[in-house]
Amino acid sequence: AQKVTQAQTEISVVEKEDVTLDCVYETRDTTYYLFWYKQPPSGELVFLIRRNSFDEQNEISGRYSWNFQKSTSSFNFTITASQVVDSAVYFCALVDRGSTLGRLYFGRGTQLTVWP
Amino acid sequence: DAGVIQSPRHEVTEMGQEVTLRCKPISGHNSLFWYRQTMMRGLELLIYFNNNVPIDDSGMPEDRFSAKMPNASFSTLKIQPSEPRDSAVYFCASSMLDGYGYTFGSGTRLTVV
Repeated sequence: AQKVTQAQTEISVVEKEDVTLDCVYETRDTTYYLFWYKQPPSGELVFLIRRNSFDEQNEISGRYSWNFQKSTSSFNFTITASQVVDSAVYFCALVDRGSTLGRLYFGRGTQLTVWP
Repeated sequence: DAGVIQSPRHEVTEMGQEVTLRCKPISGHNSLFWYRQTMMRGLELLIYFNNNVPIDDSGMPEDRFSAKMPNASFSTLKIQPSEPRDSAVYFCASSMLDGYGYTFGSGTRLTVV
């Protein structure tokens, strides 16, 4: 069965610190997408990144970077030089491209608080 | 593209009343999903449609909940009668069949008093 685990429920850092949010997933399918979403206090779900299971290259976008490792079934998210505006709940998610026709499986989320 | 459009953004209703939430998916997307978010249970999938056909409604809490997708550009989630425990944020999302382009609406915050 498909499953996404975000073991860190809450993380607090001080501004300018680097922080890594962990995500471990389980799936039997060989083709899938992995996602990260941000949910700020306003409540909407903001798309951050999608990674295809065939593409293990790490990605960097400004202060954000993602480390995808199929060997450990992990898709970790790092924020460099964190800012107060990064405070939000971050969700990791998995979509199987085969068996479950696009159904999205979410982790429980990590609440990140960045203190000034 | 305007994205996934949900209405209303906020709904306050009295227990026992019927509530209808609406969703317009992104044009060209074949799949539509209804999620509910609460503090206790996180994000739960209620039901999803592929090509307007309900595929899995096992997440619908009980018979008071029903969802329809009469055409490719519109879906509704109805709660009748509503109860205070239905208070939550309800998200609609759409995507291509294989999950590409997965996009969420802004959500409907439902409060049942």
